[in-house]
Amino acid sequence: DAGVIQSPRHEVTEMGQEVTLRCKPISGHDYLFWYRQTMMRGLELLIYFNNNVPIDDSGMPEDRFSAKMPNASFSTLKIQPSEPRDSAVYFCASSFPGNYGYTFGSGTRLTVV
Amino acid sequence: SQKIEQNSEALNIQEGKTATLTCNYTNYSPAYLQWYRQDPGRGPVFLLLIRENEKEKRKERLKVTFDTTLKQSLFHITASQPADSATYLCALIAGGKSTFGDGTTLTVKP
Repeated sequence: DAGVIQSPRHEVTEMGQEVTLRCKPISGHDYLFWYRQTMMRGLELLIYFNNNVPIDDSGMPEDRFSAKMPNASFSTLKIQPSEPRDSAVYFCASSFPGNYGYTFGSGTRLTVV
Repeated sequence: SQKIEQNSEALNIQEGKTATLTCNYTNYSPAYLQWYRQDPGRGPVFLLLIRENEKEKRKERLKVTFDTTLKQSLFHITASQPADSATYLCALIAGGKSTFGDGTTLTVKP
């Protein structure tokens, strides 16, 4: 298995532009998580899905952020419009149901200028 | 308020010694606790999981303890090696949600 695949690895965009981050979880994993990591705030859970259904989006910073999971093999995190304070590394992770560890992707480093 | 504290930002030890990292929490009732390793520029890698009713878990040179009375987990790396140098994160899982500590950066000197 290729693991959790995220794209792009790096994204530089101008303030006000729309940004879409993509994630392909491991086949068979029922849970998908989106995290954001910054030096100031560490690793924060934004939203997670179970069987493609959003379960908890209380970590999504504001309405500019949205996430979808149209099928079991694909999820997107969209920021519109983007702001400089959104600059961070965004990770996607997936797992089996129950007490298992999460498999993280390599992350997308987003820079908003 | 809920809080997770990992003992220190950085820990330096000599090769061959045992590294002990601490994860303390308040106002949580976690179902289980996980430990991850993160190298620069990479995503966290899962190492070990321990459930609330378990006291200790081992995997090769790694050992995790979980004391729900003290609200503390200890993570030990025995016979440490320079390759163990990385940032180690603890994560509490409660109600399906995960909350990560800020991590401890371990440096093992040869």
